[in-house]
Amino acid sequence: QKEVEQDPGPLSVPEGAIVSLNCTYSNSAFQYFMWYRQYSRKGPELLMYTYSSGNKEDGRFTAQVDKSSKYISLFIRDSQPSDSATYLCAMLNGGKLIFGQGTELSVKP
Amino acid sequence: ETGVTQSPTHLIKTRGQQVTLRCSSQSGHNTVSWYQQALGQGPQFIFQYYREEENGRGNFPPRFSGLQFPNYSSELNVNALELDDSALYLCASSRQGGDTEAFFGQGTRLTVV
Repeated sequence: QKEVEQDPGPLSVPEGAIVSLNCTYSNSAFQYFMWYRQYSRKGPELLMYTYSSGNKEDGRFTAQVDKSSKYISLFIRDSQPSDSATYLCAMLNGGKLIFGQGTELSVKP
Repeated sequence: ETGVTQSPTHLIKTRGQQVTLRCSSQSGHNTVSWYQQALGQGPQFIFQYYREEENGRGNFPPRFSGLQFPNYSSELNVNALELDDSALYLCASSRQGGDTEAFFGQGTRLTVV
């Protein structure tokens, strides 16, 4: 079993939809939870990170962490075609990041 | 765009050859981590360098080695290339090893034939 599991998709939604992206993890010691966005042929770009449980909002993006369920989510409101990318969840373990497989998202105009 | 630059952007090597990939870290960052991202997969941690010393290693064989220079730039060397080494190699720089804000370069796409 992988330490971090993420549905690879692909996920296709119409412009303006609310998108929900999710990851599960197995190591209860994880404390920092990140979401990265990766456009084709580019490196990952940090969207936001959350410490421990709770919610964090940044514009159209909301990250949620439920440590009791070992489950994290990223919500995108009013999705735009420019949001089309691969979204990677990651957990910080010591000095290294442990990534999920990534979910490919396509937002259709 | 981040201040992390990688070179080259693409290269093609033959099985059994050796390759060196380079990374310039963002100003003010003294930690560089390398990741391998196979097609359709998330990045996997190879190793990390902090102030010129290896500071953690993932599950990669010894033919993957690295170096960090006094200006905190870094190299990743891979010997005896195998077909499965074909991947996007990513470099990330941060202020320290446990920093939540790591900035990635655009990657080097390596194809082994």
